Amino acid sequence: DTAVSQTPKYLVTQMGNDKSIKCEQNLGHDTMYWYKQDSKKFLKIMFSYNNKELIINETVPNRFSPKSPDKAHLNLHINSLELGDSAVYFCASSQARDQPQHFGDGTRLSIL
Amino acid sequence: GNSVTQMEGPVTLSEEAFLTINCTYTATGYPSLFWYVQYPGEGLQLLLKATKADDKGSNKGFEATYRKETTSFHLEKGSVQVSDSAVYFCALQNAGNMLTFGGGTRLMVKP
Repeated sequence: DTAVSQTPKYLVTQMGNDKSIKCEQNLGHDTMYWYKQDSKKFLKIMFSYNNKELIINETVPNRFSPKSPDKAHLNLHINSLELGDSAVYFCASSQARDQPQHFGDGTRLSIL
Repeated sequence: GNSVTQMEGPVTLSEEAFLTINCTYTATGYPSLFWYVQYPGEGLQLLLKATKADDKGSNKGFEATYRKETTSFHLEKGSVQVSDSAVYFCALQNAGNMLTFGGGTRLMVKP
């Protein structure tokens, strides 16, 4: 009955590769998000998306792109991975942008 | 713009000690304020919230009061347990906007 689920939980890959992280929510929420958490636990919003609007944090490199096949899914694609992309990536969802968010358990991405 | 400042951790306490984690914010208008908790290996969970000045959010023995005059939302608990060990995030949200998180404060409770 996981509300927000991410796969994979761990992802180890080499520099230069392209990878995707999947996210699904079964809460019927309209808005989904991707966050990056660095080694010091600092959380940075990367994207906010609903069926009407994508908001991109301007500091996010364009190698990162969200893809939403339907309202319940928001996948994160990353091209040409770099060492600095190593982090834990969290997906979240909320009923609306000003409502509390529900988080997945995170995907730990390690770049070799 | 919006910003949230939390006390730096780690905060190390003995079981049954009193906990305070300070949080102050800068925002336009009248934001809602939140505390989220992240247990090891997990995502963030909403712990409590307050939506207007002088509101007190409470959950699981934790409390925080929305103080507009001091722009603060300090987290308190009267008697912490080992199971409270986690990272705590203060956050704010203006209507229609996304959450702005503080840097997180790690709490370690020793038996």
